[in-house]
Formats: sequence, C-alpha cells, structure tokens
Amino acid sequence: LAKTTQPISMDSYEGQEVNITCSHNNIATNDYITWYQQFPSQGPRFIIQGYKTKVTNEVASLFIPADRKSSTLSLPRVSLSDTAVYYCLVGYTYSGAGSYQLTFGKGTKLSVIP
Amino acid sequence: NAGVTQTPKFQVLKTGQSMTLQCAQDMNHNSMYWYRQDPGMGLRLIYYSASEGTTDKGEVPNGYNVSRLNKREFSLRLESAAPSQTSVYFCASSEAENTGELFFGEGSRLTVL
Repeated sequence: LAKTTQPISMDSYEGQEVNITCSHNNIATNDYITWYQQFPSQGPRFIIQGYKTKVTNEVASLFIPADRKSSTLSLPRVSLSDTAVYYCLVGYTYSGAGSYQLTFGKGTKLSVIP
Repeated sequence: NAGVTQTPKFQVLKTGQSMTLQCAQDMNHNSMYWYRQDPGMGLRLIYYSASEGTTDKGEVPNGYNVSRLNKREFSLRLESAAPSQTSVYFCASSEAENTGELFFGEGSRLTVL
C-alpha cells in the first residue's frame, strides 16, 4: 500500500488560498489520489480525486506532477468553515485476492484564522 | 435520501460484553466498509464488503466480525469488548470497490469500561 505524508497542521487567514501537499513516493501505476475533509464529530467527506495533471471542481483543485510522487490540494479563498482535517489517500487497486484497502493517514489539521 | 445511517450513535459497554453496530445505506451501493478512528488518528479499515455476499479483512480486524446482511446493510459485531476497542466507528459505502469516493455515516462512539 502506498504510504502518504502530509503536514500535521497548517494555519491560514480567511480569504487566502491554501495549498496542502501530500507525498506518496511509492504510488502504483493504477493508484488514484483522493482528498477528504473531516469536521469534528462527523465522517469524512469526499472533496476531489485525480490521476494526473490537474483536476478542478467547485470546491478545490488538485495538482499532480508528472512523476505522481506528490499531489497538492488547493483551496481558494478559505473561510472559517474550511477549518477541518484534510486527508490524502492513495490506492484503489483491487487485487484478485481481495486485498483492496483504502488507507487514511493522520491528515492535516487546517485552522482558518479570522 | 438518508445516505449512510449508523446505530447506535453512542454506546457504553463493560469489558467482555458483546454488541453489534448497525449500518444501512440507501444509495444502492455495492461496497461497504467499517473504519475506526482513535483520538488524533486517521481512520483504520476494520473490514469491508466489496459486494453483497463477500467480506474481507482490513488493517485491524482482530476482535471484530461482520455480516453483509443484504445489499443495504453491513453490521459490525464485537463478541467480547475490550477497552482497546474504545473508539469512534464509521461505516461507509461506495458504488464499487474500485472507486475512491466513499460516503460516510455520522459515526458511532463506543466506550468500553
């Protein structure tokens, strides 16, 4: 399973763009990269998923370089409500032996300051 | 649509007692999962069910059993609870096993004394 490394915490002021980088040096060819957001006392919520280059949706962008050994989640103009823990996940390869697993690391705690 | 519903939301057990956490989804998803989350930690996969009729162990299956009752329901059973199983348990579902978009329930907070 690909292991991910993210910063433990980040602070940002309201209105700024926030970039959270995740490293995944041993990502496999078939692995996708997915980011989740979790608020206290809630289950994680899917934000965005990508395989290579850039993906954008209504809430975030995901930048993946050509070597795919890292990825960056970009949150434009954050607000106080974006204060949460953000998880980077790698690995959706399903093996015939049934060893499919989706592993969450400890995530990055983002604190947005007024 | 309710999405993923877990019951109970809170439970206190004594060491050695048994209980079952229930999970149901109304999105017609094929795959379902049970995770646990300990304070300050990420989520760890306990068991998953890629499709109705199949279950497989995740990262931390010891002390747990699961049942995929039908396509909608996936239960997690603790046969003899231990204090180390004090945690928040999350059930999730996805359309298929090879998609990264999981839909999570609100969690069940379990305390074992």
